[in-house]
Amino acid sequence: GESVGLHLPTLSVQEGDNSIINCAYSNSASDYFIWYKQESGKGPQFIIDIRSNMDKRQGQRVTVLLNKTVKHLSLQIAATQPGDSAVYFCAESKNSGYSTLTFGKGTMLLVSP
Amino acid sequence: GAGVSQTPSNKVTEKGKYVELRCDPISGHTALYWYRQSLGQGPEFLIYFQGTGAADDSGLPNDRFFAVRPEGSVSTLKIQRTERGDSAVYLCASSLGLADSYEQYFGPGTRLTVT
Repeated sequence: GESVGLHLPTLSVQEGDNSIINCAYSNSASDYFIWYKQESGKGPQFIIDIRSNMDKRQGQRVTVLLNKTVKHLSLQIAATQPGDSAVYFCAESKNSGYSTLTFGKGTMLLVSP
Repeated sequence: GAGVSQTPSNKVTEKGKYVELRCDPISGHTALYWYRQSLGQGPEFLIYFQGTGAADDSGLPNDRFFAVRPEGSVSTLKIQRTERGDSAVYLCASSLGLADSYEQYFGPGTRLTVT
């Protein structure tokens, strides 16, 4: 079937490597940021989020870094596994009581065994 | 527990026809969102419901698009006089709708193809 990953930047890594996916966000007023993982034919799946009053947050095998000065967000995945292969999107939101998300373009991560 | 479900999973329609896409959010989630995702792009916001009311419909592209959520649970996205440019995956998401609880849970989407 069709892949949501067509025409996207692609990061290819070997199993066990650490992966870093980068994202530039657009709105300096955004104060909530999220990384989503999307596998082909599925909806986006929440990975990790971070608020603008933080510059780093860690989850299980994932770390998100936020640099508000240059409006840059990164997702680090430790010991990447074949199951991590997917398209990764960053999203931003203003803390307005609800969170309409503005998504970035996405990066395809391909993990080779 | 059950996640967000969307029906149909695929819909093929002819240009000019009317279509309805359905979303069943997670039980107890008061906030519901519709997004549209074109091939190779991130999802784009269409409309947001808090309960039964559309709190923000600023993402709807034109008046051919309309969405309802009459009982504050199931939502239907309606597209009149479909055009080939409407072809995309339509995603629904829901969240608790509480302050400081923003995580949105997405459904698998409905792939709409207008021929």
